[in-house]
Amino acid sequence: KAGVTQTPRYLIKTRGQQVTLSCSPISGHRSVSWYQQTPGQGLQFLFEYFSETQRNKGNFPGRFSGRQFSNSRSEMNVSTLELGDSALYLCASSLVLIGTGTNTEAFFGQGTRLTVV
Amino acid sequence: DAKTTQPNSMESNEEEPVHLPCNHSTISGTDYIHWYRQLPSQGPEYVIHGLTSNVNNRMASLAIAEDRKSSTLILHRATLRDAAVYYCIPSGGYNKLIFGAGTRLAVHP
Repeated sequence: KAGVTQTPRYLIKTRGQQVTLSCSPISGHRSVSWYQQTPGQGLQFLFEYFSETQRNKGNFPGRFSGRQFSNSRSEMNVSTLELGDSALYLCASSLVLIGTGTNTEAFFGQGTRLTVV
Repeated sequence: DAKTTQPNSMESNEEEPVHLPCNHSTISGTDYIHWYRQLPSQGPEYVIHGLTSNVNNRMASLAIAEDRKSSTLILHRATLRDAAVYYCIPSGGYNKLIFGAGTRLAVHP
């Protein structure tokens, strides 16, 4: 079956702009979560959506937002981009809520590499 | 969130077993212990998880201490493809994975 698909794979934006990243989960998966990976901070949790509802949110400013559609596809948006937002943004999907027991393993996409100049 | 302690790096030779330790002394009684790995230029990949008993799958084995304060991921025969950063992640009911720094495993031919 198809894995988690993230688009675009690479993106270059200018400071102050906004960006929208897309994630298509594995068919049948209802949970989608987003992570930011940087060399300095490692992998950090952004937020998780389940059945179109945000269930958990990490410690990121309000410039980072997301949503999930009825078909479980998810988008995350970053407004007023800063240089420090340059990172690999990873999306993961899971059959049910991540980390809550059986069948909760997360499947990650290859990420979107965002560069802010 | 439970804190974890893992060695920064480990080395192994191909075809030898590898034991990757993780200390999670603040784990709660309902936290599952998850292991993920991240190969170069890829997203993290699920390896295994367990609650109390030792677990085996096609990729690895997970040995959980009786007091659950530590666990060990066992790769029975390391291959070059196993070179990755390995993350030990206790989680339960939080709907998120908290990644630490992990252990960078190097496998030598």
